Amino acid sequence: DIQMTQSPSSLSASVGDRVTITCRASQDIRNDLDWYQQKPGKVPKRLIYGTFTLQSGVPSRFSGSRFETEFNLTINSLQSEDFATYYCLQHTTYPYTFGQGTKVDIK
Amino acid sequence: EVQLLESGGDLKQPGGSLRLSCAASGFSFGGYAMSWVRQAPGKGLEWVSGISGSGATTYYVDSVRGRFTISRDNSQNTLYLHMHSLGAEDTAVYYCAKAERGYSPSSLDYWGQGTLVSVS
Repeated sequence: DIQMTQSPSSLSASVGDRVTITCRASQDIRNDLDWYQQKPGKVPKRLIYGTFTLQSGVPSRFSGSRFETEFNLTINSLQSEDFATYYCLQHTTYPYTFGQGTKVDIK
Repeated sequence: EVQLLESGGDLKQPGGSLRLSCAASGFSFGGYAMSWVRQAPGKGLEWVSGISGSGATTYYVDSVRGRFTISRDNSQNTLYLHMHSLGAEDTAVYYCAKAERGYSPSSLDYWGQGTLVSVS
């Protein structure tokens, strides 16, 4: 199975900060990686799919990038509504695997 | 509008069985693969099982293989998860999710609201 190692597990940041979350795949997953945002008690919301493509309606301060098997989610100018937990998901092959999650909270 | 509505979650004793359902609407159900994803209380997301659009091919995470069975009724636009030999480790909110394609692995673009399974 493909392992997705997500880091950090948590981070504290302030409104306006630039934040980067990383997922590293244990093998090549091409660009078959999505990023999700989840708030407490809510359904996960897809932010980015196919490594780079922003989901319709998602603010442009969110972006995705890739270098080989390392994938990054960057939030430019963090807003109050961005405090949440973020997960990556690889869907290049079954079983799909999620990263462990990154909780972004207020410094 | 795509809608996915899970049902069937319940409190069960260890060793018990349960069937979850996911009623789909707003898209051509049989044309898309589907998945179940779960989240234990306070924990992360875990993909559990997937099925092709035709229902011919199924996939499982190792921890449920042999205990859970995914199926679908394309005439009723409904996805199922049959769960047997339940243990405390199966306690979670179970989400059904629609894939972008019918057969090959692809992104999950729509999720239901989830149904809670408690094993105690």
